[in-house]
Parts: sequence; C-alpha cells; structure tokens
Amino acid sequence: GAVVSQHPSWVICKSGTSVKIECRSLDFQATTMFWYRQFPKQSLMLMATSNEGSKATYEQGVEKDKFLINHASLTLSTLTVTSAHPEDSSFYICSARPRDRVGEQYFGPGTRLTVT
Amino acid sequence: GQNIDQPTEMTATEGAIVQINCTYQTSGFNGLFWYQQHAGEAPTFLSYNVLDGLEEKGRFSSFLSRSKGYSYLLLKELQMKDSASYLCAVRDWANDYKLSFGAGTTVTVRA
Repeated sequence: GAVVSQHPSWVICKSGTSVKIECRSLDFQATTMFWYRQFPKQSLMLMATSNEGSKATYEQGVEKDKFLINHASLTLSTLTVTSAHPEDSSFYICSARPRDRVGEQYFGPGTRLTVT
Repeated sequence: GQNIDQPTEMTATEGAIVQINCTYQTSGFNGLFWYQQHAGEAPTFLSYNVLDGLEEKGRFSSFLSRSKGYSYLLLKELQMKDSASYLCAVRDWANDYKLSFGAGTTVTVRA
C-alpha cells in the first residue's frame, strides 16, 4: 500500500503557457499533500502544503498566484504552473501524508517540467 | 528553521559498509527520516526514527540521538544498486510538522 502517482511524468511546454500536474494517493486517503521542487544536484525544497478542502499554505518566496494548488478530494491534489518561464523548469514532486498514519509521508514519482 | 548537515559524497566498494551521518538543529523535533533517491526519480522511504536508538531493516539501519541532534544511516553489504543520493529529513512540530531536507549524500558503489 501507500502508492502515490503523478501525471504527467514529464512535460515540455512553451514559455507563457500553463501546465497542470496531478498528484493522487492510490490506496489511501491523504488529508495533507506537499509539493516540492528539486533543481539538478540540489535537495527538495518545499513549495506548499495543501490540506483537503482548504487553501494551500505556501512557503516563503513561492508565488501563490503562479503556482496554483487545489486539493479537491482526499486523494487528489493539483499544481498548476501558470505563465511558465524557462526558470520554472524543474523536477516537481508531490508527497502525501496518510489520513490514518500521520507519521508517514510517501512521495510520487515526480514530474519533469521543461519550459522552452 | 532547521539546519541539516550531511556529507556531500561518499564512495565505497561493493560488499562493504558505509555510514552516512546527519546532524540537525530544530526547535520542535518530531522525527527523522531517511530517503533514497536515484537520479531522475523521486525519493523512496527508507527509515523513520523518533526515539533514540537503532532501527534495523535488513541491510539498512538508522540510528538517532536526540540529545546530540545526530543520526546516521548504515548501509551494509553494499550492492551496485545502492549507488544513489541519500536524503536526511527532519520533521518539526514547530514548523507545522513539515519535512525539511538535507542536501543529500551521493553514495557511489564501486565494483
């Protein structure tokens, strides 16, 4: 159990367009999901925390109007990168905290975004 | 915030043992995690320590000393597939139970 999926696994888009990334917990309910960004050879940086049914909490320096997060159900959170620019190219990873096992956190496989 | 330090790189021979140290400073410690991450992939969970002592899981063991702000991940009987980045992460109740990650230790296993 405890599988998290992300879609798409990789995406290439043109500068100025928007991209939506989905994160799903497949076999558990997740009240909290996290979105991370990882640049090459760097560690994971938390972008935002999303709780089902409420607004996401963004980390300092992360533009909430640029990175729109929606956590519409206990198994789905989405991250939309709006008006993407080449500097947004990165590896975006979500993770989910099981509703009944809050001590655990499981990661999705990640989405590689390239903005041309 | 949290200061999490771990070595940048380590190299070891197949079949050997490697110990990756992690030191941290946090105001509301609520657990320490170790993750393995292969290049281009997401992290996979290895271990979780919240109390002092050693947790053993097959070839991997993790140790925690809360008073010293110190943990290590021990990899035994190294295999080539263990070549990866190993991330130390700390959860902080004073930071809304979020995980903060160290920069990662790249382990290279040589034949």
